[in-house]
Amino acid sequence: DSGVTQTPKHLITATGQRVTLRCSPRSGDLSVYWYQQSLDQGLQFLIQYYNGEERAKGNILERFSAQQFPDLHSELNLSSLELGDSALYFCASSPWTSDEQFFGPGTRLTVL
Amino acid sequence: AQKITQTQPGMFVQEKEAVTLDCTYDTSDPSYGLFWYKQPSSGEMIFLIYQGSYDQQNATEGRYSLNFQKARKSANLVISASQLGDSAMYFCAMREAQTNFGNEKLTFGTGTRLTIIP
Repeated sequence: DSGVTQTPKHLITATGQRVTLRCSPRSGDLSVYWYQQSLDQGLQFLIQYYNGEERAKGNILERFSAQQFPDLHSELNLSSLELGDSALYFCASSPWTSDEQFFGPGTRLTVL
Repeated sequence: AQKITQTQPGMFVQEKEAVTLDCTYDTSDPSYGLFWYKQPSSGEMIFLIYQGSYDQQNATEGRYSLNFQKARKSANLVISASQLGDSAMYFCAMREAQTNFGNEKLTFGTGTRLTIIP
């Protein structure tokens, strides 16, 4: 158990819908990262938050957004969902001084 | 250009044998970090080992060791005495120099599926 929690574990929805994925980092970790793992794109970095502020953006679609709240949990919002958004979405956290990122169990999103 | 290259899509290894998973990387930053993660069929990402670009010695963690050859830009994972539970996908990843405070995103390779044969 990495100490990073993600909910829900599985999510099945339809095209055009909007969903919210939630992540609670390890206690004390200020950085939260979101990654997407799909069959065709592999593991890709989406976005990073550090202590509530956006720090880096990767290949994140405009239909996707994220935020980190004062209690350091983070949410990834996916809207106008398409079939191609079906993937495993990981959240990871790290202390700012650490080289290691701790991954949560992931949320498997299926868009039908 | 690919920043992380894993050229072995799949490997089959006899139980108790040692196995080497290849990883080459591309960066012009003098400061970077290299990681290996294991992803079993259940899906979670498990951190295995880390090597910093300035580390003088190869990293080791139990049965895992990282064969770091800086001049060749390779960071191969060696698993000694393989076990059935080692069957999984293995990903090599790199963190490049922080361009701003707190930015430590990882770039992943495409992975190697390792199957241990009894």
